[in-house]
Amino acid sequence: NAGVTQTPKFQVLKTGQSMTLQCAQDMNHEYMSWYRQDPGMGLRLIHYSVGAGITDQGEVPNGYNVSRSTTEDFPLRLLSAAPSQTSVYFCASSAPPGAPNYGYTFGSGTRLTVV
Amino acid sequence: GESVGLHLPTLSVQEGDNSIINCAYSNSASDYFIWYKQESGKGPQFIIDIRSNMDKRQGQRVTVLLNKTVKHLSLQIAATQPGDSAVYFCAVTYSSASKIIFGSGTRLSIRP
Repeated sequence: NAGVTQTPKFQVLKTGQSMTLQCAQDMNHEYMSWYRQDPGMGLRLIHYSVGAGITDQGEVPNGYNVSRSTTEDFPLRLLSAAPSQTSVYFCASSAPPGAPNYGYTFGSGTRLTVV
Repeated sequence: GESVGLHLPTLSVQEGDNSIINCAYSNSASDYFIWYKQESGKGPQFIIDIRSNMDKRQGQRVTVLLNKTVKHLSLQIAATQPGDSAVYFCAVTYSSASKIIFGSGTRLSIRP
């Protein structure tokens, strides 16, 4: 089925470890974003991309890096994990604003725990 | 910047009644508004959207109302069913923007 695929679904890291959360979409969407969702809170934008080779910071970018080498993939890297990064991470993709199908399609999330 | 709020963090309704979830936004330049539904353990799912050139849009059992004067939108769910139990988010953006900002969510629970 077409959509946004996130891996892994669950991950436990020790403080200071690094890892990459993977995100892939097969809808040929130009726009992709990463959000984090903490308990009792909404989704906060970490980084986003409007196309291959173009990325920008969202509301809470510190501690995270992204790259967009292809249209399909948008990995999120944690360079040195901290307990404050314990959260559920969602990747999403969209057609550009103004397109009939604008509005993000979300993956099923990665639940990350940093101990 | 943009901030999006919701009037109530939780809403409990009787099965079969109508539900109304409210959302306020701050940026008068916002011109595209989306409601998402998030069930437990899943990612947000698109429900319905509305552009600023409209004040009402209807879908299947859902209606979104937009009041640009007071920067407020609402989601109405008709004949609420147990399957409607979820957290509902409003999200806003504007045409030239590539990012969508989400509100904090309202948890809708259904009483039998």
